[in-house]
Amino acid sequence: AQSVTQPDIHITVSEGASLELRCNYSYGATPYLFWYVQSPGQGLQLLLKYFSGDTLVQGIKGFEAEFKRSQSSFNLRKPSVHWSDAAEYFCAVQGGKLIFGQGTELSVKP
Amino acid sequence: NAGVTQTPKFQVLKTGQSMTLQCAQDMNHEYMSWYRQDPGMGLRLIHYSVGAGITDQGEVPNGYNVSRSTTEDFPLRLLSAAPSQTSVYFCASNDRVVGYTFGSGTRLTVV
Repeated sequence: AQSVTQPDIHITVSEGASLELRCNYSYGATPYLFWYVQSPGQGLQLLLKYFSGDTLVQGIKGFEAEFKRSQSSFNLRKPSVHWSDAAEYFCAVQGGKLIFGQGTELSVKP
Repeated sequence: NAGVTQTPKFQVLKTGQSMTLQCAQDMNHEYMSWYRQDPGMGLRLIHYSVGAGITDQGEVPNGYNVSRSTTEDFPLRLLSAAPSQTSVYFCASNDRVVGYTFGSGTRLTVV
């Protein structure tokens, strides 16, 4: 069965610092992988997705993620965090169904 | 092009009441699904459908019922609401080209 683990429940970074959010998945074949962001009280916004090809994927708002098959990981990165990036971030894996991780809440210190 | 429309946006129910959360999409997607979102648990799949007349259970199906009589609509029924069903519910539709499109959510409180 497919599953997703986001080891960090809450992360705090300073504005301007770099960010890496971890995501590990379990799936028998090469999955489709996604990162979503959710601001408080809002719906889900797709940041980026990986289907195949280049393992470094560029998304919106300056985010990128790297698919590492050997580590079953799809970590999200941003070189310089802005205060507006404070939100909850969800990694998801699609085999037959779309399954989400538990989410990582990001706080940004001024 | 409305995408995925969920109604209502907010609902308060008493324990034991029944209700239907509506979900409609106008993109002719075959695949539709329902999720519930709870703090610290991410989004969990309740039920999904791969086409009209076909439904299946997800991770947390108990207490919920679905049907798919048309491609456009995928209602979620709570037959006897319980406080444990207090949550935010998201409907989604999907195709291989566009990917997933999510509705704006229904915030349900069961008292």
